Amino acid sequence: GAVVSQHPSWVICKSGTSVKIECRSLDFQATTMFWYRQFPKQSLMLMATSNEGSKATYEQGVEKDKFLINHASLTLSTLTVTSAHPEDSSFYICSASPRQGASGGEQYFGPGTRLTVT
Amino acid sequence: AQSVTQPDIHITVSEGASLELRCNYSYGATPYLFWYVQSPGQGLQLLLKYFSGDTLVQGIKGFEAEFKRSQSSFNLRKPSVHWSDAAEYFCAVGANTDKLIFGTGTRLQVFP
Repeated sequence: GAVVSQHPSWVICKSGTSVKIECRSLDFQATTMFWYRQFPKQSLMLMATSNEGSKATYEQGVEKDKFLINHASLTLSTLTVTSAHPEDSSFYICSASPRQGASGGEQYFGPGTRLTVT
Repeated sequence: AQSVTQPDIHITVSEGASLELRCNYSYGATPYLFWYVQSPGQGLQLLLKYFSGDTLVQGIKGFEAEFKRSQSSFNLRKPSVHWSDAAEYFCAVGANTDKLIFGTGTRLQVFP
């Protein structure tokens, strides 16, 4: 149980275009979803937290107009990287929790999406 | 400030040898503690977690970790490492009312 999927697993896009990444909880209702970013050989940095039906809460330093997060249902959250640039190239990982709020106690991670912007 | 420190960036062990990965944390309350493993290009897999109770926690793949409150540590151990254990290991701390905070990771290399 508690499976989280991401799609696509990898994507290459041209600079200036937008890319959408999906995160789905397959066998539970994800009240809260999280988006992380991981640079090569570095740790995961939380970008934002989203609750179904409400606006995402972004961490300090994350551009909310660049990284659009939508949590339209209890099983789906999307991250759209708008006007992507090479510095946005990274590994994006989502996680989901059946709990409300920060949910540091119970998160299930997706397999990640490798974004390369050329 | 809340933080997690993994002092060892890179560890190399021989297959069959024992392993201990260190994790120290700074947290205002009793934390939930986690160890995750990440293979190259993959997401995170939960190895084990500590919420309360017995301070020695058993996880998957033969791993265990011990919570030592007095030392603010949650070190991960395995008595005999397999080549397939080579990966990146992350310690994390959190709470139900707080986000997860990750350490910087320890890369484990296993030699035959």
